[in-house]
Amino acid sequence: DTAVSQTPKYLVTQMGNDKSIKCEQNLGHDTMYWYKQDSKKFLKIMFSYNNKELIINETVPNRFSPKSPDKAHLNLHINSLELGDSAVYFCASSAKKPGTVDPRHSTDTQYFGPGTRLTVL
Amino acid sequence: GENVEQHPSTLSVQEGDSAVIKCTYSDSASNYFPWYKQELGKRPQLIIDIRSNVGEKKDQRIAVTLNKTAKHFSLHITETQPEDSAVYFCAARNLYSGGGADGLTFGKGTHLIIQP
Repeated sequence: DTAVSQTPKYLVTQMGNDKSIKCEQNLGHDTMYWYKQDSKKFLKIMFSYNNKELIINETVPNRFSPKSPDKAHLNLHINSLELGDSAVYFCASSAKKPGTVDPRHSTDTQYFGPGTRLTVL
Repeated sequence: GENVEQHPSTLSVQEGDSAVIKCTYSDSASNYFPWYKQELGKRPQLIIDIRSNVGEKKDQRIAVTLNKTAKHFSLHITETQPEDSAVYFCAARNLYSGGGADGLTFGKGTHLIIQP
């Protein structure tokens, strides 16, 4: 089984609050990601992070900010939560650094965490 | 940016029959095409992937084909079983690009239902 974990699994909060979701991987991967899955099951990339290099999807509001205390963690902070933020958030990791060529196909695989279901009331 | 279209949105097949899910992509620079399976309430899990230098790849009952010229790729599941019921996502990515969010661009998913 993959070793990407997230906490909490469920998060229910009021509009306007600030919350964080934690993600940890013990696979020794060097790139981590955050995805958002909406109520229609659509999965969309939010961020990728590698070696202090953050790549942001331009559609993500600046209320969302990833923080990486070390290579194994990429936490997601959300300020001033809105109703539309309700979704399942998945963390993922891969061994491949963005923009590099790696002949080992398996390192391109992104392994997903179990997800955090965020409900904003 | 990349745009991935996936069809059908729902597919119902009899157990033992084959299922085919099709995707098209827009960015000719995309060179990596994974397929993920997501069971209800679970995480997406990779089931097979293909790179643009390969036209077809097979793993037991699952196969993926890629047509670079037409920019489409397909997932084929043979001898379907009840445990194949899930949502399947195709995705595309340019492995050599450091631009954008460098993540996977997903299709909208296909809900595969295996009828007993």
